[in-house]
Amino acid sequence: ETGVTQTPRHLVMGMTNKKSLKCEQHLGHNAMYWYKQSAKKPLELMFVYNFKEQTENNSVPSRFSPECPNSSHLFLHLHTLQPEDSALYLCASSQKMQGAREQYFGPGTRLTVT
Amino acid sequence: AQSVTQLGSHVSVSEGALVLLRCNYSSSVPPYLFWYVQYPNQGLQLLLKYTTGATLVKGINGFEAEFKKSETSFHLTKPSAHMSDAAEYFCAVRENRDDKIIFGKGTRLHILP
Repeated sequence: ETGVTQTPRHLVMGMTNKKSLKCEQHLGHNAMYWYKQSAKKPLELMFVYNFKEQTENNSVPSRFSPECPNSSHLFLHLHTLQPEDSALYLCASSQKMQGAREQYFGPGTRLTVT
Repeated sequence: AQSVTQLGSHVSVSEGALVLLRCNYSSSVPPYLFWYVQYPNQGLQLLLKYTTGATLVKGINGFEAEFKKSETSFHLTKPSAHMSDAAEYFCAVRENRDDKIIFGKGTRLHILP
């Protein structure tokens, strides 16, 4: 595997379900990000992790719970979601404190909440 | 505070014609600038980036962008459009002191046969 991978690619869940999204980066980076991309809305940064520590939470509802066990893996735990949470969830990684720190993205998880 | 404005949420060009996607930014310090492309049902892919030095930056798939400090612009161009260029394009900016990248709202490029 190369780059940034995300599983599952598609997820349909009911409002009472609990599920998790997984992201793995194979680039040796030390910063990871979760974004939400909804139709007709700008890309929304949700969480930032630097060296496994959460450094940013952009007022994300508590029904979204991130976890970063090491610098290569990032999870987004979901529970009691609302239909408006349906979106494409993108994970990205970058190398902190080096150059332009461009972010590399995974293919995303398309989430549908019914 | 940093911000990015992409002019035109939709741009249509004929196959073989020049592609020009406009991006203006605001930043209080010299920025890092990026263009990303997103194909349907995929993540964002880095097309090119500006750090320092040469203001004309070449990227993948024949795209290039020019950093113009006086105009606070970083427009994306390609001399000859191909059908495979149909996608959404995002301009982004990062200030040196910040880890966050600020993305524009995106421009969807349509290629007409």
